[in-house]
Amino acid sequence: DTGVSQDPRHKITKRGQNVTFRCDPISEHNRLYWYRQTLGQGPEFLTYFQNEAQLEKSRLLSDRFSAERPKGSFSTLEIQRTEQGDSAMYLCASSLDGDTQYFGPGTRLTVL
Amino acid sequence: AQSVTQLGSHVSVSEGALVLLRCNYSSSVPPYLFWYVQYPNQGLQLLLKYTTGATLVKGINGFEAEFKKSETSFHLTKPSAHMSDAAEYFCAVRGSGGYQKVTFGTGTKLQVIP
Repeated sequence: DTGVSQDPRHKITKRGQNVTFRCDPISEHNRLYWYRQTLGQGPEFLTYFQNEAQLEKSRLLSDRFSAERPKGSFSTLEIQRTEQGDSAMYLCASSLDGDTQYFGPGTRLTVL
Repeated sequence: AQSVTQLGSHVSVSEGALVLLRCNYSSSVPPYLFWYVQYPNQGLQLLLKYTTGATLVKGINGFEAEFKKSETSFHLTKPSAHMSDAAEYFCAVRGSGGYQKVTFGTGTKLQVIP
């Protein structure tokens, strides 16, 4: 059990560029979650996968955001046409039972 | 709909004193409740959770919390603070019945004074 990993850990991009983040969950965890955390706030739920199916999406996930989990293992979160307001920490978590979520270290995105 | 309110964005206690971090929730269905801790430059770690059954739940590092439905509260306590408890603590709620969206509070930073 190596824990949840996220890549990259830091990303600096210019406004208007596309970015993609990767999350590798704990092996055999069939549930995967994405959150966004801004300074001084708690994590905000973005989306949830069970295996490869995306079952819940927050209204925070605008049409510029897309998430996939093609084979039910790793997941990617893509942000198109980034805006300064997208600057945040993007967190991934995985779970086996749906109650205990194990969080990764996060990807910090800075949009200039 | 669900929400969490954490009273006090910063709490300071002396080493050895009681730790009390307050959390009130709102949920349209029976809630599952969680406390997470985040140490500087580290990921969130689950401290304890309430799903069903006993309303007093014990977690790691000597922390415990009590689910009080009548008060819609889930306060976190520890009898004696240790320097290593200094961190940010988040209360979270999700609805039972298969819902997976977890709503977090804004967090409480705990400072432990030697």
